Amino acid sequence: DAKTTQPNSMESNEEEPVHLPCNHSTISGTDYIHWYRQLPSQGPEYVIHGLTSNVNNRMASLAIAEDRKSSTLILHRATLRDAAVYYCIHHNYGGSQGNLIFGKGTKLSVKP
Amino acid sequence: KAGVTQTPRYLIKTRGQQVTLSCSPISGHRSVSWYQQTPGQGLQFLFEYFSETQRNKGNFPGRFSGRQFSNSRSEMNVSTLELGDSALYLCASSLRPLRGDEQYFGPGTRLTVT
Repeated sequence: DAKTTQPNSMESNEEEPVHLPCNHSTISGTDYIHWYRQLPSQGPEYVIHGLTSNVNNRMASLAIAEDRKSSTLILHRATLRDAAVYYCIHHNYGGSQGNLIFGKGTKLSVKP
Repeated sequence: KAGVTQTPRYLIKTRGQQVTLSCSPISGHRSVSWYQQTPGQGLQFLFEYFSETQRNKGNFPGRFSGRQFSNSRSEMNVSTLELGDSALYLCASSLRPLRGDEQYFGPGTRLTVT
């Protein structure tokens, strides 16, 4: 079963920042937090991941709560191309399992 | 660097037939995972291979099987197809799955069972 909770959908205006929340209350100390997104008719695409500290890359920023039970994906300026389903996943890669457990994700709509 | 490629992209089969799907990972990636995506169940993990060994398997019947070759390319096979097997089958590759590396997904194979 998915171990994360995300809102089903969110809306944003183009060129405005978007904050996508995720709750992962059962996360353990060695679980990474990953975000993927899936554009229509495409496979999922890696966005960003982190363990404890906030992370930035060219696509987005990841803000991780101090207790690590929640995180927020930040798109600094939403574009129409950012309309997608965003998945938040946490997983312990130290064991024998390398698979990702996807939840339902958040469908982000971007209005021009 | 070329991305993950999957062949064929689209496939139509009839009930009872079998099908083989192919996945070529990113060069240098030794881990390949397979996922099934349907509107009702979302993305579900099928199995993962690393260095030709199946490391993990999802909760799917034995009709679903896979293998990985020495060049890291992978195939999955579904025997005795059922209507419910109609789905988008996605393959993902990763460099160091045990280190938390990201997975890179292919475009998927759209399987329709009639």
